[in-house]
Amino acid sequence: QKEVEQNSGPLSVPEGAIASLNCTYSDRGSQSFFWYRQYSGKSPELIMSIYSNGDKEDGRFTAQLNKASQYVSLLIRDSQPSDSATYLCAVTPREALTFGSGTRLQVQP
Amino acid sequence: DTGVSQDPRHKITKRGQNVTFRCDPISEHNRLYWYRQTLGQGPEFLTYFQNEAQLEKSRLLSDRFSAERPKGSFSTLEIQRTEQGDSAMYLCASSERDLQYFGPGTRLTVT
Repeated sequence: QKEVEQNSGPLSVPEGAIASLNCTYSDRGSQSFFWYRQYSGKSPELIMSIYSNGDKEDGRFTAQLNKASQYVSLLIRDSQPSDSATYLCAVTPREALTFGSGTRLQVQP
Repeated sequence: DTGVSQDPRHKITKRGQNVTFRCDPISEHNRLYWYRQTLGQGPEFLTYFQNEAQLEKSRLLSDRFSAERPKGSFSTLEIQRTEQGDSAMYLCASSERDLQYFGPGTRLTVT
């Protein structure tokens, strides 16, 4: 079992819709959870962090964490074509980040 | 620009050659990380420094790989006797606490 699991996609949504990206992790000792966005050929860009159960909102992004279910999600409201990218979930069971393989999001104009 | 910088951005080398990459972290960040990313995968942790001390190394970091961070500032990652399987994007990240910010990466191609 991988430490961090994500559906590789592609997840295709129409412009203006809500995109929902999901991630599960295996190490219950993980304390910090992150979402990174990665455009093709570029490096990961930090977009959200979450540390406690519940929701955390930042602009069009909402991160959700459920430690009992070992589940993290990212909602992107009013999706734009510029949101088309790979979204990487990362957790910290230790000092360094452990990443999933990412979900490719395509926002159709 | 006050972000993480990496040099070179691209490197093509022949199998068996040695290569060295440099990372300059965000100036006030005392933690520095190296990751490697191959196509279709998330970044994989290689090693981590707090100031000049190398505190953790992944099993991925074979004895052909060495990293340094003299004086707790910039860091170098050297790969000796490169193999085709070393072809990847090498990413550096820095942090002050838990938020890690990545540099643009060095893409290594071993022919």
